[in-house]
Amino acid sequence: SQQGEEDPQALSIQEGENATMNCSYKTSINNLQWYRQNSGRGLVHLILIRSNEREKHSGRLRVTLDTSKKSSSLLITASRAADTASYFCATSSAGNKLTFGGGTRVLVKP
Amino acid sequence: EAGVVQSPRYKIIEKKQPVAFWCNPISGHNTLYWYRQNLGQGPELLIRYENEEAVDDSQLPKDRFSAERLKGVDSTLKIQPAELGDSAVYLCASSSGTRGTNEKLFFGSGTQLSVL
Repeated sequence: SQQGEEDPQALSIQEGENATMNCSYKTSINNLQWYRQNSGRGLVHLILIRSNEREKHSGRLRVTLDTSKKSSSLLITASRAADTASYFCATSSAGNKLTFGGGTRVLVKP
Repeated sequence: EAGVVQSPRYKIIEKKQPVAFWCNPISGHNTLYWYRQNLGQGPELLIRYENEEAVDDSQLPKDRFSAERLKGVDSTLKIQPAELGDSAVYLCASSSGTRGTNEKLFFGSGTQLSVL
């Protein structure tokens, strides 16, 4: 079963635009992580935000976490063609389970 | 430093045949995970090891799947016999997190299994 649900399932934008995707989850978490997966490859960790944090930045990435709404968002600013990939949120909850959502497929057109 | 290494990269077998996947985690990583990823979906955990101990195998279909991590380093995941529905990408990941934490995972490139 997958706890996190990403929205939208797919996103198509022009290079230079911002891309925003959301993740909702159901149970309490210890932390929430975002991963990127290029076609035919494994997942690459992008950023981790703990349950007591509200916002975190890493380069062109900005992640927010709202534990009252059980939701998180990932913003990619000034997108590039190389950002084309699938993005997954993963929640870490009791028992150290790391559960992935279904992903958002992002296409950045040059 | 080498990342998580998986082999083979691709495997095509006929149903009812056995298949095995191998994973070598990043050196020093105590925790090893096997995930299955169906097309267009997120990874689903099959089994998690802390050193050589399987601490979470609740999602592993034990009638046909087995896994081992005998010396707490590399690991093998086996399916016997394979079914059509087992076609998926099998991902191995490792982390340096100890029991009680869940830090970032490092993934291998996966083994894409096609069962005909």
